[in-house]
Amino acid sequence: DAGITQSPRHKVTETGTPVTLRCHQTENHRYMYWYRQDPGHGLRLIHYSYGVKDTDKGEVSDGYSVSRSKTEDFLLTLESATSSQTSVYFCAISTREQETQYFGPGTRLLVL
Amino acid sequence: DAKTTQPTSMDCAEGRAANLPCNHSTISGNEYVYWYRQIHSQGPQYIIHGLKNNETNEMASLIITEDRKSSTLILPHATLRDTAVYYCIVRALQGAQKLVFGQGTRLTINP
Repeated sequence: DAGITQSPRHKVTETGTPVTLRCHQTENHRYMYWYRQDPGHGLRLIHYSYGVKDTDKGEVSDGYSVSRSKTEDFLLTLESATSSQTSVYFCAISTREQETQYFGPGTRLLVL
Repeated sequence: DAKTTQPTSMDCAEGRAANLPCNHSTISGNEYVYWYRQIHSQGPQYIIHGLKNNETNEMASLIITEDRKSSTLILPHATLRDTAVYYCIVRALQGAQKLVFGQGTRLTINP
């Protein structure tokens, strides 16, 4: 399995609070991705990064921001969590844009 | 990315080969066929991918028809741990940041 960890693995928070999810990789892959998975929607891309300090939006980026200050870490922040952001969040990595993506174990987030 | 069609669910007996079909009739020449699976509550796991030739690795075989409009993932000796949702994805080589996961096939391996 690719060396990808996500933290926390589970989180319960209240509406309006900030939340940061962390993805950490030991593979030195250039590309990192954040997806969310919801019933009936499959996986949807939130943001991705193509290098340190280089990020771009995916299809469902509203309400989320990301940062990548080191190759190994990609942070996803919900500035003010809403109940619609209750989901399972997956991080993925790849060596190049067109190469195979490998996924982390996921973070289950519940926003009350 | 081209759309894929997979059966909603399938059953297979333990120890038998599991053959999972996928239709991708609108696939373009620069699109690969990828297979992932997701075991309950875990992250998607990469299985195999191919362009037009058949591929085999330690997990599975991928058979792509000559016209590339369909493919079959083969798990040669299914075990209970292969019970999962299997996703067939077609993906272009360039500008392909995201993977588009459809509803997939829920494969149940029965003892």
